[in-house]
Amino acid sequence: DADVTQTPRNRITKTGKRIMLECSQTKGHDRMYWYRQDPGLGLRLIYYSFDVKDINKGEISDGYSVSRQAQAKFSLSLESAIPNQTALYFCATSQVRQSDTQYFGPGTRLTVL
Amino acid sequence: RKEVEQDPGPFNVPEGATVAFNCTYSNSASQSFFWYRQDCRKEPKLLMSVYSSGNEDGRFTAQLNRASQYISLLIRDSKLSDSATYLCVAGEYGNKLVFGAGTILRVKS
Repeated sequence: DADVTQTPRNRITKTGKRIMLECSQTKGHDRMYWYRQDPGLGLRLIYYSFDVKDINKGEISDGYSVSRQAQAKFSLSLESAIPNQTALYFCATSQVRQSDTQYFGPGTRLTVL
Repeated sequence: RKEVEQDPGPFNVPEGATVAFNCTYSNSASQSFFWYRQDCRKEPKLLMSVYSSGNEDGRFTAQLNRASQYISLLIRDSKLSDSATYLCVAGEYGNKLVFGAGTILRVKS
């Protein structure tokens, strides 16, 4: 079984709809992250959480919100989806040490029409 | 200006070739550095960490030059399976990662 899972894997929705992307991990890591990837721009950090009570905005948090329901779960919400939020979304986890690797989920491909 | 810049490529090389990728980072406070590999439509996976002393893992060698804020990756004896996008990554305080847009490598037989 995958250590970091994301649901759904693909989603097509319409402008103005509320969307939730979910991430779960079995790695026991405290830190979790949400990124989006767009062609030519690389991965950009949306939100990150160092533990259940610690949530921080990343580079591009406008239009997004998150919830850390438990150590193992970190959800990303688009309150009112817009077409330029069409992207590939990745969840990642890491341990506490500075140089630790981030482990990525398989991604969610979101299309907003 | 992007914080981490890479040549997007694509680099088209024959099997067995040696290929080098470079990247530069703008934040002098960056504390850790990595190369990640990403296959088409898949998640990024760590290829190797990068240290000032250089490090080698089989056919792959990574090097960091802090003075020039420059990171490199050398792949020797390229295999078809090396075809992927290579992401240069700088780590900042709090284990936040800043990704380059990636360099595409295509190895052909």
